[in-house]
Amino acid sequence: AQTVTQSQPEMSVQEAETVTLSCTYDTSESDYYLFWYKQPPSRQMILVIRQEAYKQQNATENRFSVNFQKAAKSFSLKISDSQLGDAAMYFCAYRGYTGANSKLTFGKGITLSVRP
Amino acid sequence: GAVVSQHPSRVICKSGTSVKIECRSLDFQATTMFWYRQFPKQSLMLMATSNEGSKATYEQGVEKDKFLINHASLTLSTLTVTSAHPEDSSFYICSARSLGGYTFGSGTRLTVV
Repeated sequence: AQTVTQSQPEMSVQEAETVTLSCTYDTSESDYYLFWYKQPPSRQMILVIRQEAYKQQNATENRFSVNFQKAAKSFSLKISDSQLGDAAMYFCAYRGYTGANSKLTFGKGITLSVRP
Repeated sequence: GAVVSQHPSRVICKSGTSVKIECRSLDFQATTMFWYRQFPKQSLMLMATSNEGSKATYEQGVEKDKFLINHASLTLSTLTVTSAHPEDSSFYICSARSLGGYTFGSGTRLTVV
């Protein structure tokens, strides 16, 4: 079974600074998807970024980028120029490539606070 | 983009009663819906996966007779918590497979008193 590990329960960053959130996973599959989701206090799950395992290039979305290391099974999220609105819980998630019903496996999440 | 509308957002019910939570896909067909439960400051725990027109697949440890899932159409899936008890109080979230990934409902906070 696939597992996703987020070992840091909390992190804090100064506004305008950069922060990196760590995630590792375990799988025997060669093709899969990885995601970072943000859950603000409203508790609405918001997709931050997604990475296909077959792509070597790291995904980027504006201030958000990932460092995907397939061999190390590591998928960290870098948030640049942190803003107060980035304060939220962040979940790393894995999904297998095959199977129409493939479900997301979530990590435990990390609570990010942003200091003004 | 794809939207999943989840209702109600909050519900308070008396112990022993049943509560129904609805999730509707507004602009796409949701052949598969996932139902999660989340405790404060914790991760989403998958309860069950439902496919339109067939029985739901429940995760280990989830009581299927207590958490009834119906997915009768491509745009509507419901979760009914039967004979609710205070320990069922939680935040419930649905999620549907959509083009490009997954779309989540806004969640339902259930309080059983």
